[in-house]
Amino acid sequence: GAVVSQHPSRVICKSGTSVKIECRSLDFQATTMFWYRQFPKKSLMLMATSNEGSKATYEQGVEKDKFLINHASLTLSTLTVTSAHPEDSSFYICSARDLKAGGRVTGELFFGEGSRLTVL
Amino acid sequence: ILNVEQSPQSLHVQEGDSTNFTCSFPSSNFYALHWYRWETAKSPEALFVMTLNGDEKKKGRISATLNTKEGYSYLYIKGSQPEDSATYLCAFLRGGSNYKLTFGKGTLLTVNP
Repeated sequence: GAVVSQHPSRVICKSGTSVKIECRSLDFQATTMFWYRQFPKKSLMLMATSNEGSKATYEQGVEKDKFLINHASLTLSTLTVTSAHPEDSSFYICSARDLKAGGRVTGELFFGEGSRLTVL
Repeated sequence: ILNVEQSPQSLHVQEGDSTNFTCSFPSSNFYALHWYRWETAKSPEALFVMTLNGDEKKKGRISATLNTKEGYSYLYIKGSQPEDSATYLCAFLRGGSNYKLTFGKGTLLTVNP
């Protein structure tokens, strides 16, 4: 149980185009999902907290108009990188908490598989 | 800015060796410390969530200890196997942070058969 699926795993796009990444909780409801970005040899950095039915909360330095987050249902959050540029090339990964953990390790995050974005 | 440091950055051991890594984190306003195992091309998977100073948790051959007063946690793997090869991440959760984890860069473990 507690599976998070993220698509696409790899995407290559031209500069100026927009790319959408989906994050789905397959067997639990996630009122909150987290989006992270990881540059080479760096740690996972939280970009934003996605809240179902309300606006996302962005971390300092993350442009909300560039990284659009939509959390329209309890099982789906999407991250859209708008007008992508080469400097947006990175690894993006989502995670969620299962508040009804039921016997699993309490409080852990469940992660998607990540999406590697390359902007040419 | 919260500083979560992991050492070593990478580690090569032989099958059967025991090994350990360190995660250091701020000693103030502690709420929880998470350990994850991240195999290549897979999702990070939780190993432990630790909340109490002095806590020790075990899962098979893997165990972890926690010292919140001095701000460190150790992860131990006994009798390493090739399938233990992965990046091990720790993440610090500060009190009142709305579940915003701060991750270390990870320790990449390679276990040679």
